[in-house]
Amino acid sequence: KNQVEQSPQSLIILEGKNCTLQCNYTVSPFSNLRWYKQDTGRGPVSLTIMTFSENTKSNGRYTATLDADTKQSSLHITASQLSDSASYICVPEGGGTASKLTFGTGTRLQVTL
Amino acid sequence: DSGVTQTPKHLITATGQRVTLRCSPRSGDLSVYWYQQSLDQGLQFLIQYYNGEERAKGNILERFSAQQFPDLHSELNLSSLELGDSALYFCASSAKGPTGELFFGEGSRLTVL
Repeated sequence: KNQVEQSPQSLIILEGKNCTLQCNYTVSPFSNLRWYKQDTGRGPVSLTIMTFSENTKSNGRYTATLDADTKQSSLHITASQLSDSASYICVPEGGGTASKLTFGTGTRLQVTL
Repeated sequence: DSGVTQTPKHLITATGQRVTLRCSPRSGDLSVYWYQQSLDQGLQFLIQYYNGEERAKGNILERFSAQQFPDLHSELNLSSLELGDSALYFCASSAKGPTGELFFGEGSRLTVL
């Protein structure tokens, strides 16, 4: 059974600090891993996608890593801002229809002053 | 703005009632997906339509049904509502082809009292 586990479940950090969110997955087949950002009460928005052959990918202050051998991914946020407060959802993709996707429950990040 | 439009944004109704949620996909996208997101739960896939035809079914209750119209907008009908149906309902669309980025609407928050 496909599973996606994200940790921590929630996190509170001070503005300007860094943080790292973790994602462990058991999904087969596997081709890509995508991170979505979901603001409270809004729909998820894609942050970054990594293919199975990529190890690191950056999108501004967001850096995602992927280890396809250990089936682990992380999302590192540098110099956090209040606008980073959101849920971050990890979604391994298998190259088939999106109806087969397993979404992580997300990490809820709160950035405070 | 994802380009996916959902209405209504908020809906409060009583148990036993029936509601209809509406979704217009991004221009040119043929696939529409419906998801349910309960408090602190991951996105649960309900049903997919592609160019007017049902393509895949997930954990959709028999009390729920959906359809996609010739203009590609979709409606999710929820009937005999129960308290446990209270959730955020998201519609997403994607371009034709293998798994790719899903573009989510802002969601419809359903509260059943």
